[in-house]
Amino acid sequence: DAKTTQPNSMESNEEEPVHLPCNHSTISGTDYIHWYRQLPSQGPEYVIHGLTSNVNNRMASLAIAEDRKSSTLILHRATLRDAAVYYCILIEGYTDKLIFGTGTRLQVFP
Amino acid sequence: DSGVTQTPKHLITATGQRVTLRCSPRSGDLSVYWYQQSLDQGLQFLIQYYNGEERAKGNILERFSAQQFPDLHSELNLSSLELGDSALYFCASSESRDTSFTGELFFGEGSRLTVL
Repeated sequence: DAKTTQPNSMESNEEEPVHLPCNHSTISGTDYIHWYRQLPSQGPEYVIHGLTSNVNNRMASLAIAEDRKSSTLILHRATLRDAAVYYCILIEGYTDKLIFGTGTRLQVFP
Repeated sequence: DSGVTQTPKHLITATGQRVTLRCSPRSGDLSVYWYQQSLDQGLQFLIQYYNGEERAKGNILERFSAQQFPDLHSELNLSSLELGDSALYFCASSESRDTSFTGELFFGEGSRLTVL
């Protein structure tokens, strides 16, 4: 399974943008990039996913490098409720296994 | 509320015992996934079922087994329990077989197992 590398932790102030990086240098052509987050005492929650093009949804944006060896999850305006562990995950097409790494713990300060 | 229901929420048992964890997926979802989350191992993928059939297998121990029933609910059976099996066990569901394309898994709130 292709692996991802994320910083252990990041900090942000409320209402500021947050850029969460993820390196996946061994990504293959059929791997999708998924992001999930886990709030304290809850199960993981889907955030966004993509293959090659940048993606936007109501929660966040996903910027994927042209060579696909890295990606960045962008929270446009962090809120206190965004404090969570964010996981960047690669899923090989047709295998359907979500393999979570250690994630980035995001702290948001008022 | 994700729509995925897991029971029991908490379970305390002794080493050597056997427990069954139950998961009811969201209405209409055909895929069910099981994950184990412990402090030192993070979230570990165990197994996936799609419409009653095993579809993908992760790091599931031989002491553990799972199945998905015709009504699509799933059970995870853990036997010969060891102290190290203490963890949060999450169930997730999705509507499709190929979540790589559709993207979204819906996770339940988990079952916390404590083995004493």
